[in-house]
Amino acid sequence: AQSVTQLGSHVSVSEGALVLLRCNYSSSVPPYLFWYVQYPNQGLQLLLKYTTGATLVKGINGFEAEFKKSETSFHLTKPSAHMSDAAEYFCAVTFSYSSASKIIFGSGTRLSIRP
Amino acid sequence: KAGVTQTPRYLIKTRGQQVTLSCSPISGHRSVSWYQQTPGQGLQFLFEYFSETQRNKGNFPGRFSGRQFSNSRSEMNVSTLELGDSALYLCASSLGGSANYGYTFGSGTRLTVV
Repeated sequence: AQSVTQLGSHVSVSEGALVLLRCNYSSSVPPYLFWYVQYPNQGLQLLLKYTTGATLVKGINGFEAEFKKSETSFHLTKPSAHMSDAAEYFCAVTFSYSSASKIIFGSGTRLSIRP
Repeated sequence: KAGVTQTPRYLIKTRGQQVTLSCSPISGHRSVSWYQQTPGQGLQFLFEYFSETQRNKGNFPGRFSGRQFSNSRSEMNVSTLELGDSALYLCASSLGGSANYGYTFGSGTRLTVV
């Protein structure tokens, strides 16, 4: 079955430290991959997406992610964490080029930033 | 450019009642999808509408229904509310009618069933 797995429901890092949020997917067809961020009592905001082409994708707020087909991974990174990065992050995929495809979300990773 | 607008932001209903939530997509977006978000189940897909037609449906009981109007605005309805329906309901619109473009989400409607 096609699925998305986010490793670690909660990640805590110090301000200024590297942020690494892990995402793996399973799919028999090429995926489109997304990272979304959700702040408290808000909807989800698109951070970045991978469709085709360059495997290293840069997004907003200094985040980037690398698509590694051999590892079926799409991990999210940021070199230096800021207090404002505290939020919940969702990895998501679509598995079909069909116009009727839906996005499947991972279970989310809550990122906490220590002063 | 206006974003995705969901109304109301908060609702409190009693078990057995019904509720209607509204979503206005970004101008020009013809696809509207609905998700239910709960702490235990995460984000679960409810349904997707495109050009007034339901194209995709998640695994929810028939108490959950929706529709889309000719101006792309969408409503979802939940009848005979249960305590377990308490959740954040998120609407998302997509350009080009495909989820592959990514979604733009509204801020959600927080439904509490008592």
